[in-house]
Amino acid sequence: SAVISQKPSRDICQRGTSLTIQCQVDSQVTMMFWYRQQPGQSLTLIATANQGSEATYESGFVIDKFPISRPNLTFSTLTVSNMSPEDSSIYLCSVTGMGNTEAFFGQGTRLTVV
Amino acid sequence: DAKTTQPNSMESNEEEPVHLPCNHSTISGTDYIHWYRQLPSQGPEYVIHGLTSNVNNRMASLAIAEDRKSSTLILHRATLRDAAVYYCILRADNQGGKLIFGQGTELSVKP
Repeated sequence: SAVISQKPSRDICQRGTSLTIQCQVDSQVTMMFWYRQQPGQSLTLIATANQGSEATYESGFVIDKFPISRPNLTFSTLTVSNMSPEDSSIYLCSVTGMGNTEAFFGQGTRLTVV
Repeated sequence: DAKTTQPNSMESNEEEPVHLPCNHSTISGTDYIHWYRQLPSQGPEYVIHGLTSNVNNRMASLAIAEDRKSSTLILHRATLRDAAVYYCILRADNQGGKLIFGQGTELSVKP
């Protein structure tokens, strides 16, 4: 199993500013992912965080808006840049190992942009 | 990405079994069937997964149709704490392990 710590758990930010969300895992994991969950909706995959290289973004998400870092096997950050009220969502970190194993999710970061 | 179809919502009575259906007619031979659930104000949690054979664990059972085009998550005895959104997801090893979520089934449990 893996325990994921996300920081901050929630924040209220001014439009036009940026917020960096941290994801720390208690064990080395192969795959790390970032998701967004808009109010009342399902989860949408933003990107795969790749260790030591650029993240792989899903359609509709770009690096300039959501820069991601992953310096090692246990840590990643997601930045939400130049925020607008439409970015108000829960952002979740997820990890999994190799093979068809289960995925683990953090508790999420609840972001409100005003 | 192969898609799944689930009912938007279901109701159950406490202490009764619950059968949550999922259709995945476009499933490929290498797709695993995963189930996750999301309790209110929490991140999703793993429930169960399988490839071809039925699977059992401490949380639930997964019944997979012989043609693999549908599956059913079975909660043997629903409790109030099982009220959540349940997601059926097809996961392929060649997709880098990512999970693509559909809308899921919101399960409510009545006392």
